[in-house]
Amino acid sequence: NAGVTQTPKFRILKIGQSMTLQCTQDMNHNYMYWYRQDPGMGLKLIYYSVGAGITDKGEVPNGYNVSRSTTEDFPLRLELAAPSQTSVYFCASNFSRGPRSGANVLTFGAGSRLTVL
Amino acid sequence: QQQVKQSPQSLIVQKGGISIINCAYENTAFDYFPWYQQFPGKGPALLIAIRPDVSEKKEGRFTISFNKSAKQFSLHIMDSQPGDSATYFCAALNSNYQLIWGAGTKLIIKP
Repeated sequence: NAGVTQTPKFRILKIGQSMTLQCTQDMNHNYMYWYRQDPGMGLKLIYYSVGAGITDKGEVPNGYNVSRSTTEDFPLRLELAAPSQTSVYFCASNFSRGPRSGANVLTFGAGSRLTVL
Repeated sequence: QQQVKQSPQSLIVQKGGISIINCAYENTAFDYFPWYQQFPGKGPALLIAIRPDVSEKKEGRFTISFNKSAKQFSLHIMDSQPGDSATYFCAALNSNYQLIWGAGTKLIIKP
């Protein structure tokens, strides 16, 4: 059981380049999330999904896009990379029967460190 | 109103001592308060959590104390060990069922 797998672990981008951060979970979780973690700032929610085909914006969605074509995969797309997107990105998932049941017990991936120069 | 304020930013404790991390919030609609532990190079993992209808929850050496009237909650680590060295995050579940995170506390336990 791999849990939540993120790739790549590290990436350096030039300003204006695009890339996709991959996230896969094998726990049959319905909810999936993308967070960014900046030093001294905690975790900020970028996008989340409550199931295949359904995505919604979090606290800081600008500059990012997501899709959820399968239960397992939740890729995060950066279209025009900017230095402000330098961060560590975490994908997380959980199983929930509704918004209030277990939406808080998240399983996280190991993170993807992105630097935009 | 959507913030969770966490202190201190960093903390050094001697082995065997008590580590205390504090969080405060404003929004009374928050109703679930987890603590996550993060080791370097890893994602956060749930450590312990509490709902506001109880004032304390204990799991082994880890205790959450919750003060609803003061809108504060804290994590106490008894008999702190070097293996407890990590970053700790408090969080709160808002009315949109999303977690609002504190800024984190880097804890170092000195042998």
